[in-house]
Amino acid sequence: DGGITQSPKYLFRKEGQNVTLSCEQNLNHDAMYWYRQDPGQGLRLIYYSQIVNDFQKGDIAEGYSVSREKKESFPLTVTSAQKNPTAFYLCASSTSRGGSYGYTFGSGTRLTVV
Amino acid sequence: AQSVAQPEDQVNVAEGNPLTVKCTYSVSGNPYLFWYVQYPNRGLQFLLKYITGDNLVKGSYGFEAEFNKSQTSFHLKKPSALVSDSALYFCAVRGRRGGADGLTFGKGTHLIIQP
Repeated sequence: DGGITQSPKYLFRKEGQNVTLSCEQNLNHDAMYWYRQDPGQGLRLIYYSQIVNDFQKGDIAEGYSVSREKKESFPLTVTSAQKNPTAFYLCASSTSRGGSYGYTFGSGTRLTVV
Repeated sequence: AQSVAQPEDQVNVAEGNPLTVKCTYSVSGNPYLFWYVQYPNRGLQFLLKYITGDNLVKGSYGFEAEFNKSQTSFHLKKPSALVSDSALYFCAVRGRRGGADGLTFGKGTHLIIQP
């Protein structure tokens, strides 16, 4: 079955550590997205990519980095510069960033700072 | 810029009663409109979308939504609520300007169905 896989489901980070969240899709989608979800704040866009080797900052990119070396993969690194990283992170993909296409979401990674 | 408003943080409905979750939008030109549902600690699942044509759109799990251009609204409805409908619901919009703007999501509405 085609889909989008996020791993791990739960992740614990110590202060000052960088951690990388994985996102893989086998839907042959061109566009991929990372969102952060906090209670009462909805979804906030961190980064997005419309094509391999290209990505753009979203609304809250500070303290995060991404790469898009393969069409199927869009990993997110939460760096030590992100002061409040505890949140639920969602990855999504779409056939295209524009048009009538919706998004397919992964099941999320819950990151906790310990 | 495009935007979505979900004016209610929470909606409480008794099981078996009809439910409505409200959504209004702002976008240049005609919109593409979407509803998604999220269960605890899970990703968002697609419910339905409006592209063009009939203003009443039917989707998954018995949900439907009515597009109202004059009121710029896209309210989610279901004739008879189930306890299992309890979840977080997101409305989303995209304009048709021909650019590559992604979806803009509302902040979500918690739907609580009481037995």
